[in-house]
Amino acid sequence: QKEVEQDPGPLSVPEGAIVSLNCTYSNSAFQYFMWYRQYSRKGPELLMYTYSSGNKEDGRFTAQVDKSSKYISLFIRDSQPSDSATYLCAMSGDSGGSNYKLTFGKGTLLTVNP
Amino acid sequence: DGGITQSPKYLFRKEGQNVTLSCEQNLNHDAMYWYRQDPGQGLRLIYYSQIVNDFQKGDIAEGYSVSREKKESFPLTVTSAQKNPTAFYLCASTWTHQETQYFGPGTRLLVL
Repeated sequence: QKEVEQDPGPLSVPEGAIVSLNCTYSNSAFQYFMWYRQYSRKGPELLMYTYSSGNKEDGRFTAQVDKSSKYISLFIRDSQPSDSATYLCAMSGDSGGSNYKLTFGKGTLLTVNP
Repeated sequence: DGGITQSPKYLFRKEGQNVTLSCEQNLNHDAMYWYRQDPGQGLRLIYYSQIVNDFQKGDIAEGYSVSREKKESFPLTVTSAQKNPTAFYLCASTWTHQETQYFGPGTRLLVL
């Protein structure tokens, strides 16, 4: 079983739709959870960061972490064509002391059609 | 402007040639990282450095080398021993004990 699983998509939605992106993980020591957005041929940019379980909202974006299920989600409300990108989940907090290393999902390619 | 810069944007390597990718940051970050991104593979860690003059191998260090002589700079050399170097290379940096990492724009390496 891979440490982090992420559905690669591609996911295609109409403008204005609610988008749900998800990752599951196997390492129960993960405590820090991130979502990065990567436009084509660009470096990833940090979108959301959460610590432990719970929700965090920032504008149209909501990140959820459920540590009991080892499941994290990113919701995008009122999706826009400018949201078209690859979304990468990342996490860290290995109890072995390597909390400086991020483990990434493979990314989900999202297209929002006008 | 503060940020992370990578150069060149595109790099072409001939068989048997070593090439060096540049990564510079002026954010006063302590830690720096190199990742490789292949289609469908996600980001894989090559090397990382948490302090000047010290660095550690990541998950796929074979065929690569790094140096960290200055806090601002963390160049990556792709040696001739790396048999499949074609990929998108990303440099990242952050402060000590900070979980989130910040990425540069990337360098695309192609083999002639």
